[in-house]
Amino acid sequence: QKEVEQDPGPLSVPEGAIVSLNCTYSNSAFQYFMWYRQYSRKGPELLMYTYSSGNKEDGRFTAQVDKSSKYISLFIRDSQPSDSATYLCAMTPNTGNQFYFGTGTSLTVIP
Amino acid sequence: SQTIHQWPATLVQPVGSPLSLECTVEGTSNPNLYWYRQAAGRGLQLLFYSVGIGQISSEVPQNLSASRPQDRQFILSSKKLLLSDSGFYLCAWSVGGPRGYTFGSGTRLTVV
Repeated sequence: QKEVEQDPGPLSVPEGAIVSLNCTYSNSAFQYFMWYRQYSRKGPELLMYTYSSGNKEDGRFTAQVDKSSKYISLFIRDSQPSDSATYLCAMTPNTGNQFYFGTGTSLTVIP
Repeated sequence: SQTIHQWPATLVQPVGSPLSLECTVEGTSNPNLYWYRQAAGRGLQLLFYSVGIGQISSEVPQNLSASRPQDRQFILSSKKLLLSDSGFYLCAWSVGGPRGYTFGSGTRLTVV
């Protein structure tokens, strides 16, 4: 079983839609959770990070962690064509340790 | 501010040729450095990581090697490339903390 599971998509939505991206994981020791955005032919860039359970909001983006279910989500409100990218989740038990990545979900927002 | 440089952006190499990809970091000291390979549908595969000069850990057996000759320099090499070495290679650094990794812009390697 993979440490982190992520639906690869692709996901296609109309502009303005609410997007939900999700990852599940198996290691209950994971405490730190991150979302990266990767545009085509570019390196991933950090979008948001959270510690333990709960929600974190940054503009149109909300990261949610449910440790009891080993499930994390990224919500994008009022999606824009510029949000079209691959989104990768990542997590680690300790920030000094290796990070474990999902395979990424490809998102296309159609104008 | 911290920056990471990775080059070249694209590379086409014949089978059996050598490889050298370089990554340098600016604006930080003693970073942890990483080489990842990204293949479609398989996500990020950690190849090597380094916690200091000359200290290299390999995650998977392969046709590649890594070296860290200086604190902020990380090199990925191969003596003889295979077709299966084709992929998107990413260098990353971290100094711990919840912000995770900072990635370079990547090198797309095609072995022909």
